[in-house]
Amino acid sequence: DSGVTQTPKHLITATGQRVTLRCSPRSGDLSVYWYQQSLDQGLQFLIQYYNGEERAKGNILERFSAQQFPDLHSELNLSSLELGDSALYFCASSVVGARTDTQYFGPGTRLTVL
Amino acid sequence: AQSVTQLGSHVSVSEGALVLLRCNYSSSVPPYLFWYVQYPNQGLQLLLKYTSAATLVKGINGFEAEFKKSETSFHLTKPSAHMSDAAEYFCAVSGGSRDDKIIFGKGTRLHILP
Repeated sequence: DSGVTQTPKHLITATGQRVTLRCSPRSGDLSVYWYQQSLDQGLQFLIQYYNGEERAKGNILERFSAQQFPDLHSELNLSSLELGDSALYFCASSVVGARTDTQYFGPGTRLTVL
Repeated sequence: AQSVTQLGSHVSVSEGALVLLRCNYSSSVPPYLFWYVQYPNQGLQLLLKYTSAATLVKGINGFEAEFKKSETSFHLTKPSAHMSDAAEYFCAVSGGSRDDKIIFGKGTRLHILP
């Protein structure tokens, strides 16, 4: 158990819908990362937050957005969902978000878009 | 910009045999390098990381990796494979500025033959 929690574990929805994925980092960690894992694209970094502020941006679509709240939990919002958005979404956290930090991964949310 | 290439999407070794998973990186600045493991239906877990100290890095579960700048490689090894090592392994690279992102390889699935 990494100490990072993600909800829900599974999500099934239809094309065009909007969903919100939630992540609670390990106690004391200030930085949160979001990743998308799919068979064809592999593990793709989406976005990183540090203490409520956006720190780095990866291959995140404009239909996707995220935020980190004052209590440090984070939410990833996915809208106008397409079939290709079906994937495993991971959240990770680290102490200060430095390049050498160990990232602790949550168990993931499996999103299926029908 | 950084990139990482993992040679072999699937590797099979017999129980008790040497495990060698290959990773080559590209980076315009001194890199930080990581190996993560993903067990079925779980998130990623850090095995080891190189952060410019010793070139031979020892990790958990008996794994180690050697940073070879001349070969731009960071191969993962374990002297004797165990059935519990069956998993997917990801090499990752980070470097550059504070806001630099971590880039993951496509992964190598390790199969252990009895």
